Amino acid sequence: GQNIDQPTEMTATEGAIVQINCTYQTSGFNGLFWYQQHAGEAPTFLSYNVLDGLEEKGRFSSFLSRSKGYSYLLLKELQMKDSASYLCAVLSNDYKLSFGAGTTVTVRA
Amino acid sequence: IAGITQAPTSQILAAGRRMTLRCTQDMRHNAMYWYRQDLGLGLRLIHYSNTAGTTGKGEVPDGYSVSRANTDDFPLTLASAVPSQTSVYFCASSDSAGSSNEQFFGPGTRLTVL
Repeated sequence: GQNIDQPTEMTATEGAIVQINCTYQTSGFNGLFWYQQHAGEAPTFLSYNVLDGLEEKGRFSSFLSRSKGYSYLLLKELQMKDSASYLCAVLSNDYKLSFGAGTTVTVRA
Repeated sequence: IAGITQAPTSQILAAGRRMTLRCTQDMRHNAMYWYRQDLGLGLRLIHYSNTAGTTGKGEVPDGYSVSRANTDDFPLTLASAVPSQTSVYFCASSDSAGSSNEQFFGPGTRLTVL
């Protein structure tokens, strides 16, 4: 089975940095995805990690440690439009995605 | 059509009725998926199709069926709806079922079963 944990909610100030952690215990591993989902909208792809280390993409970075079953998504220079849910998802050996429940980030002025 | 579309946008349905949620993509993606999203539970895979003509069961398949007659369409059918099937349903597609292929999601169908 799959067990993916991430915090339910986080709040941060505009311009600040927020780190969303995700821990997982899954039957096999073929990569970890982060998606962003604004309220009432579809999830959209942010990042993919399959090897250990940090992947940087503009203001967003994602880190993976396979030995620790751990990932984080780092959001820098927060903007109001970054208020959304962030979904951690693990691709298992049979290439199915299992999602965490999501972390709702609220950015305050 | 650009990307992936779903219909209807929302629906209120009486328990026991049959309902088909439609999903169409124009990206020529091989793999397609149906998820339901419930508060506090995240997205859960209902059924998937790795290529036209094949389908498979996901985490929560009971009460749902799918077909994949061609590359573009992947309808989800509730044979006899029950209130526990009230949820937001997302269809997704990816180039293939392989590793780094991101999934693209449709806008979702909000279904209420009374």
